[in-house]
Amino acid sequence: GQQVMQIPQYQHVQEGEDFTTYCNSSTTLSNIQWYKQRPGGHPVFLIQLVKSGEVKKQKRLTFQFGEAKKNSSLHITATQTTDVGTYFCAGRGSNYKLTFGKGTLLTVNP
Amino acid sequence: SQTIHQWPATLVQPVGSPLSLECTVEGTSNPNLYWYRQAAGRGLQLLFYSVGIGQISSEVPQNLSASRPQDRQFILSSKKLLLSDSGFYLCAWSVERTGNTIYFGEGSWLTVV
Repeated sequence: GQQVMQIPQYQHVQEGEDFTTYCNSSTTLSNIQWYKQRPGGHPVFLIQLVKSGEVKKQKRLTFQFGEAKKNSSLHITATQTTDVGTYFCAGRGSNYKLTFGKGTLLTVNP
Repeated sequence: SQTIHQWPATLVQPVGSPLSLECTVEGTSNPNLYWYRQAAGRGLQLLFYSVGIGQISSEVPQNLSASRPQDRQFILSSKKLLLSDSGFYLCAWSVERTGNTIYFGEGSWLTVV
């Protein structure tokens, strides 16, 4: 079955440093989504990427979808304490089911 | 606008007791509905999904069951809880079939003692 691997599992940064999490799928994806879960909260949808090579930005967050539509990344520039949480990628394959990566827990030292 | 409600928010149950978590979605029709569990490892494990009333698919063998008695109601149950059932349970929905985005409820923390 479809598998989505996400690295790193944990990342601790100093406030102001950049952060990147990577997502790789065992199969070609129709789209990839990113979610953020704050500590004690529930996952909240951030963005969806559909096209090969697509790049989208949300303020300090940059999302990329690979040319082969099998990998993706989320990059945060100049992290802030409000960025703390777990970031999940989720890949949608040929059926309607979404497969989540295990997430990257980001902690930020002020 | 669409909303999802899940309850109870927290519960502590003894081993061997039954479980019922309930979830309702408002503002949409015929949604796909999901139950996820998030254990200590932080990953989201899909337990059940449903594409319509009475249609339940189980992703992993386990001590739990799900039912969808109405279009926008999804229930997670167990007849006898195990310690390993402890975790954070999330109900979620997406648009039927074309379902791109998954919208999560606020979750239920279950501790089995």
